Amino acid sequence: KQEVTQIPAALSVPEGENLVLNCSFTDSAIYNLQWFRQDPGKGLTSLLLIQSSQREQTSGRLNASLDKSSGRSTLYIAASQPGDSATYLCAVPPGGGADGLTFGKGTHLIIQP
Amino acid sequence: DAGVTQSPTHLIKTRGQQVTLRCSPKSGHDTVSWYQQALGQGPQFIFQYYEEEERQRGNFPDRFSGHQFPNYSSELNVNALLLGDSALYLCASSSVRQNYGYTFGSGTRLTVV
Repeated sequence: KQEVTQIPAALSVPEGENLVLNCSFTDSAIYNLQWFRQDPGKGLTSLLLIQSSQREQTSGRLNASLDKSSGRSTLYIAASQPGDSATYLCAVPPGGGADGLTFGKGTHLIIQP
Repeated sequence: DAGVTQSPTHLIKTRGQQVTLRCSPKSGHDTVSWYQQALGQGPQFIFQYYEEEERQRGNFPDRFSGHQFPNYSSELNVNALLLGDSALYLCASSSVRQNYGYTFGSGTRLTVV
């Protein structure tokens, strides 16, 4: 059974800092890995999707890396802003990619102005 | 381009009642998945529908059932509601032709009293 762990569970940093969120998964036979953002009480917004054949993806100030062999992914946020405050979730589909996503519990991020 | 739309946004039901939640997938997507998210937790996979059939199911009782219509929209039905069913219910759509990246709706907040 796939298990996803996210560290840290919570993080509070001053505006402008660069930060790294970590995600680990137990079964490396994944099809892809997706990072999401969730604002309080809202749905999930997709940030980055990394296919198993890729090592990283970039979108603006966000960069996500994937190391399947070690079962790890990191989300790097550059020059953090108060608007980045949210919960960040990583998720993987098991096996062939057609199945339901397994999520971590998320990292609750607060960027202090 | 409309994303995933869910209705209603909020719902209050009494224990023992039945509820139906609705989801319209993103244009071009043919697969719909449902997730339950308790407060402070990551979303938990309920089931997935493709070609009007349930493809896979998570660890949820038979009280949870669903349907997918020819236009790819979907319903989630929950019978005999329990207090523990109170949660945010998220619908996600995807396409086998788009590398399984998932798009989520804003969710339905269900409160059982």
